[in-house]
Amino acid sequence: QSALTQPASVSGSPGQSITISCTGTSSDVGSYNLVSWYQQHPGKAPKLMIYEVSKRPSGVSNRFSGSKSGNTASLTISGLQAEDEADYYCCSYAGSSISWVFGGGTKLTVL
Amino acid sequence: EVQLVESGGGLVQPGGSLRLSCAASGFTFSSYEMNWVRQAPGKGLEWVSYISSSGSTIYYADSVKGRFTISRDNAKNSLYLQMNSLRAEDTAVYYCARERGVGWFDPWGQGTLVTVSS
Repeated sequence: QSALTQPASVSGSPGQSITISCTGTSSDVGSYNLVSWYQQHPGKAPKLMIYEVSKRPSGVSNRFSGSKSGNTASLTISGLQAEDEADYYCCSYAGSSISWVFGGGTKLTVL
Repeated sequence: EVQLVESGGGLVQPGGSLRLSCAASGFTFSSYEMNWVRQAPGKGLEWVSYISSSGSTIYYADSVKGRFTISRDNAKNSLYLQMNSLRAEDTAVYYCARERGVGWFDPWGQGTLVTVSS
């Protein structure tokens, strides 16, 4: 099972919006509304930001939103803040035997 | 507070074995599916293994199938990963993560580092 494809890096200025894409296949992203997104700061454990494509866990800022079209999911962060600078990973369910596949990660730099 | 604490990592020679543990607290452990996810140094996340709440259903990534064994003890609120025939490419921080819904992991433990080297 190949990893989902994410851009290696994205950047934006404070207050701007950015979008991180996550491209899979018809066997994972395209088949299930079970895409999640994780934020990871250096040396820290990943933190759930979005689940089931577009749902936000309690405590996560509404500046974070998710969507999906076909085999590509997206994470949008609006009103960029310095603390948003981190690595972001998407994850998709890929069927019961293959289970879960992650993206390669995207480094977000807040300029 | 929901908490997961991994332990058991360390330095091991290629071909060796190691057993990781994950102690859960702050929630009804026996009601949740659990996973192990790893991250090689400077690399991305890789799902490793899944176990259902009762332990009756188990899945592995192809990269560890036949070498790693996931298990749990609901009476001890603990998750385990027995790792045999370790290879250099197994070097990573290993995280345990609670699966709150299909395919979403929350929270994650702080991770334990496994280094496979001679």
